[in-house]
Amino acid sequence: GAVVSQHPSWVICKSGTSVKIECRSLDFQATTMFWYRQFPKQSLMLMATSNEGSKATYEQGVEKDKFLINHASLTLSTLTVTSAHPEDSSFYICSARDWAGLFYEQYFGPGTRLTVT
Amino acid sequence: GQQLNQSPQSMFIQEGEDVSMNCTSSSIFNTWLWYKQDPGEGPVLLIALYKAGELTSNGRLTAQFGITRKDSFLNISASIPSDVGIYFCAGQRGSRLTFGEGTQLTVNP
Repeated sequence: GAVVSQHPSWVICKSGTSVKIECRSLDFQATTMFWYRQFPKQSLMLMATSNEGSKATYEQGVEKDKFLINHASLTLSTLTVTSAHPEDSSFYICSARDWAGLFYEQYFGPGTRLTVT
Repeated sequence: GQQLNQSPQSMFIQEGEDVSMNCTSSSIFNTWLWYKQDPGEGPVLLIALYKAGELTSNGRLTAQFGITRKDSFLNISASIPSDVGIYFCAGQRGSRLTFGEGTQLTVNP
């Protein structure tokens, strides 16, 4: 149980275009999902917290107008990178939160590799 | 944002050897977690610690939550080739996770 999927697994886009990444909890409902970004050989950095039915909460330094998050259902959150630039190339990972008996555990998706040319 | 100080940054060991890595923070966390990430994949939870001083084992893995809630270590005993990957510590406060910089582990057969 507690499987999280992401689609697509990788995407290449041209500079200036927009890209949408989907994050789905497959066997549980998640009122809260998270979006992380990971550059090569670096750690995961939290970008935003996605709450079902309400606006996302963005971390300091993350442009909310550039990284649009929509959490329209209890099993789906989407991240849209608008007007992508080469510096947005990164590994984007989502997680979904579920009660694990003693604490809320975050289950991570397999990630989406974005390359902007 | 704040990151945890994780060391060592990388380790090269022979199969069968034991491994130890640790994380420290200037802030207190309610929960400490250890994850493993394989190339091109998301992190997978190995051990969760939620009581100060707690020592928990999961197979060949042993982790401890520091008594001050500001540090943790992870030990891997009798390493095998499939232990290769990046190990991250993470501190949890509320719903937010803060990750360490990671330890790249290489196991030579």
